[in-house]
Amino acid sequence: AQKVTQAQTEISVVEKEDVTLDCVYETRDTTYYLFWYKQPPSGELVFLIRRNSFDEQNEISGRYSWNFQKSTSSFNFTITASQVVDSAVYFCALSDPLEYGNKLVFGAGTILRVKS
Amino acid sequence: DAEITQSPRHKITETGRQVTLACHQTWNHNNMFWYRQDLGHGLRLIHYSYGVQDTNKGEVSDGYSVSRSNTEDLPLTLESAASSQTSVYFCASSESHPGQAAFNEQFFGPGTRLTVL
Repeated sequence: AQKVTQAQTEISVVEKEDVTLDCVYETRDTTYYLFWYKQPPSGELVFLIRRNSFDEQNEISGRYSWNFQKSTSSFNFTITASQVVDSAVYFCALSDPLEYGNKLVFGAGTILRVKS
Repeated sequence: DAEITQSPRHKITETGRQVTLACHQTWNHNNMFWYRQDLGHGLRLIHYSYGVQDTNKGEVSDGYSVSRSNTEDLPLTLESAASSQTSVYFCASSESHPGQAAFNEQFFGPGTRLTVL
């Protein structure tokens, strides 16, 4: 069975602090895909990143970076110099490649509050 | 621009009533999904479809049904609404390419907040 664990229910930081959101996953598959989505207070879900299991290179996009480590089954998300606009719920998700199309298994989400 | 829409955005209904939530996408995606979002659970898959006339049960399908008569629409029906179905419902769609089955991100609609009294 697949499982995604986001152990941090809620994190509060002060603007300009760096913050890391943890994601640990479980899967028996050797080929799989990991995703991060952002849900701002307005409620929509915004795709942030996709990573396949064969690519362990870290990725950086502006203030966002992702650290993928297969050895620890983790796909952590770091926001550098956080801003108030980063306040949102962040979801990590895992996709099973054995089926045609894709199903996502989501973690419970981490609420990030950035205070000015 | 292609998009995915849901209606209504808010719905209040009574226990035992039948409710249908609409989902319409203009991406021409084969894959469509329904999730519910509840605090502490993230998003959980209710039903999904890989194409016209195809429907499949997800993790929390009891009390829900879907039908897929065309590419654009996947309505979600609550046959007899229960208070436990009070939630925010999200529809999503994604492309499907043989050999890249799980690669494509899902695009989400704005959500429907359903309250069952």
